[in-house]
Amino acid sequence: DTAVSQTPKYLVTQMGNDKSIKCEQNLGHDTMYWYKQDSKKFLKIMFSYNNKELIINETVPNRFSPKSPDKAHLNLHINSLELGDSAVYFCASSQDWGGKAPQHFGDGTRLSIL
Amino acid sequence: AQKVTQAQTEISVVEKEDVTLDCVYETRDTTYYLFWYKQPPSGELVFLIRRNSFDEQNEISGRYSWNFQKSTSSFNFTITASQVVDSAVYFCALSEATSNTGKLIFGQGTTLQVKP
Repeated sequence: DTAVSQTPKYLVTQMGNDKSIKCEQNLGHDTMYWYKQDSKKFLKIMFSYNNKELIINETVPNRFSPKSPDKAHLNLHINSLELGDSAVYFCASSQDWGGKAPQHFGDGTRLSIL
Repeated sequence: AQKVTQAQTEISVVEKEDVTLDCVYETRDTTYYLFWYKQPPSGELVFLIRRNSFDEQNEISGRYSWNFQKSTSSFNFTITASQVVDSAVYFCALSEATSNTGKLIFGQGTTLQVKP
């Protein structure tokens, strides 16, 4: 039973396209996150949601729009994809948003822009 | 400003050697949490340990041990008798209680290669 699952695992697309990455967690957690890992392996937070409400938007371009239909899902939609968007995107969840609870990560989605 | 520094970019050891991965953090908060994550070649991120700022006890879990020292703002990770399966990128991370966002600030990661 996968705790945090992301789909797709790989996404190859052309510049200018719009794409979505889905994330679901079955841990019963209240808080979900999106992180971006660049080519140098550096991990940076993009968004977090607690119970469907946005908590963090870490100066991410407007082309990125997270959507949380319920607290078990946090999807990421990206408009007008650019070359610099190529990265691995990780979804994570935690029991609360105070920083104490460990975050559990999905396996990542490798996005490649041609 | 909050920051996590892992000065060792890459470490290479031979199996059965002990290895220590360094982590130094900066924060103005008095309440904060420190984490270590492992990213094996398959790419997933695996949670290893959490420490809170009020608990400076060292922890041991099998071949893994962690040394938390507030005086030097360090949270180092030692693998004893390393094995090839320990080869991975290891990340140290910090979250601050006052931010109340759960935001994790990651270090740059240390790539550990364990050779047979």
